[in-house]
Amino acid sequence: AQSVTQPDIHITVSEGASLELRCNYSYGATPYLFWYVQSPGQGLQLLLKYFSGDTLVQGIKGFEAEFKRSQSSFNLRKPSVHWSDAAEYFCAVGVSGGYNKLIFGAGTRLAVHP
Amino acid sequence: EADIYQTPRYLVIGTGKKITLECSQTMGHDKMYWYQQDPGMELHLIHYSYGVNSTEKGDLSSESTVSRIRTEHFPLTLESARPSHTSQYLCASSEQGGFNSPLHFGNGTRLTVT
Repeated sequence: AQSVTQPDIHITVSEGASLELRCNYSYGATPYLFWYVQSPGQGLQLLLKYFSGDTLVQGIKGFEAEFKRSQSSFNLRKPSVHWSDAAEYFCAVGVSGGYNKLIFGAGTRLAVHP
Repeated sequence: EADIYQTPRYLVIGTGKKITLECSQTMGHDKMYWYQQDPGMELHLIHYSYGVNSTEKGDLSSESTVSRIRTEHFPLTLESARPSHTSQYLCASSEQGGFNSPLHFGNGTRLTVT
């Protein structure tokens, strides 16, 4: 069955530090992969997506993610975190079928210390 | 920046009441979705629509119902609210059904049934 695992429920980093959020997926075919961010009291916003090609994808707000097929991973990174990055981050895999649907992970809540 | 609107933002209501959560989008998108989000849990698709007069149930069984009489409007109704319905409900839309078309989310309705 298709699934997405985000091993870290809660991460705290200092402002200016680097960040890596982990995502592992389970899907038999070539995956469509996404990262969404949800700021407090807001809906989800797409950060970046991977469909094919270059395994390192760039997104908005200075985020990037790397697809590693051998590890079934799609980790999100940012070299220097800003206080405004505090939010919840969701990884998702797109599953083709009767209707194209997204399967979301449970999310990682990021706190940023000044 | 959101062009998809959900009302109310918060709703506290007693058991047995009928409620309707409103969702409207101004982007002319054919595809619309309702997700249920519990704290620390994955988002689960409960309803989706491919256009006017089209509604389908999603992955997560829900006692709620939806309607799509107008392209821009996709309300969700609970005929008799119960405490188990307490959750956050997120509405989303997309231009197309494929993964190239990102989901645009509203800010959500947080429902509490007492």
